[in-house]
Amino acid sequence: DQQVKQNSPSLSVQEGRISILNCDYTNSMFDYFLWYKKYPAEGPTFLISISSIKDKNEDGRFTVFLNKSAKHLSLHIVPSQPGDSAVYFCAAKTNSGYALNFGKGTSLLVTP
Amino acid sequence: NAGVMQNPRHLVRRRGQEARLRCSPMKGHSHVYWYRQLPEEGLKFMVYLQKENIIDESGMPKERFSAEFPKEGPSILRIQQVVRGDSAAYFCASSPSGQGVYQPQHFGDGTRLSIL
Repeated sequence: DQQVKQNSPSLSVQEGRISILNCDYTNSMFDYFLWYKKYPAEGPTFLISISSIKDKNEDGRFTVFLNKSAKHLSLHIVPSQPGDSAVYFCAAKTNSGYALNFGKGTSLLVTP
Repeated sequence: NAGVMQNPRHLVRRRGQEARLRCSPMKGHSHVYWYRQLPEEGLKFMVYLQKENIIDESGMPKERFSAEFPKEGPSILRIQQVVRGDSAAYFCASSPSGQGVYQPQHFGDGTRLSIL
């Protein structure tokens, strides 16, 4: 069963605008959430994370928002740059677990 | 290169052969994780190991798949008698040991396994 869902397979944004990538989860035991970025033929690269005790975490152009009641998180990238074009994976883990549960990814294209 | 090293990057096997995938964790990391990615899918957890110990293998298929992380040398994911459905990208990740603040897993570039 897919416990982490990224319902948008793709997203296209103009350079300089905001990119918003969404992620929903079903397991209420998840307490840590991560975003990874992946280029073709490479491994996922860690981008930003958030603990369930927070509702926002910011790192430069990247901000992750967590809405626990809605079991929803989002990644905001502003301003978007062509180099941000990649597949973005949302992942989650439980407090007692080691495994990361991944969504299927959203392919972001930032056009000049 | 201080990152997670996986080899080979590409591996082609015929049905029934064995596949061995190797992973050297980042320097200072003693926890290793293996994930599999099928086409158009996200990564699926397979197994979590520490040196000489399998901690969690809940994602490993019950047959033909095994993993080890010996005291010396890389972690090995071994697939015996491969079938077409084993074709996938296999990613290794590592993280530091210890308690306290959670440390994200860092991934290698994967091994792309193709079964003929």
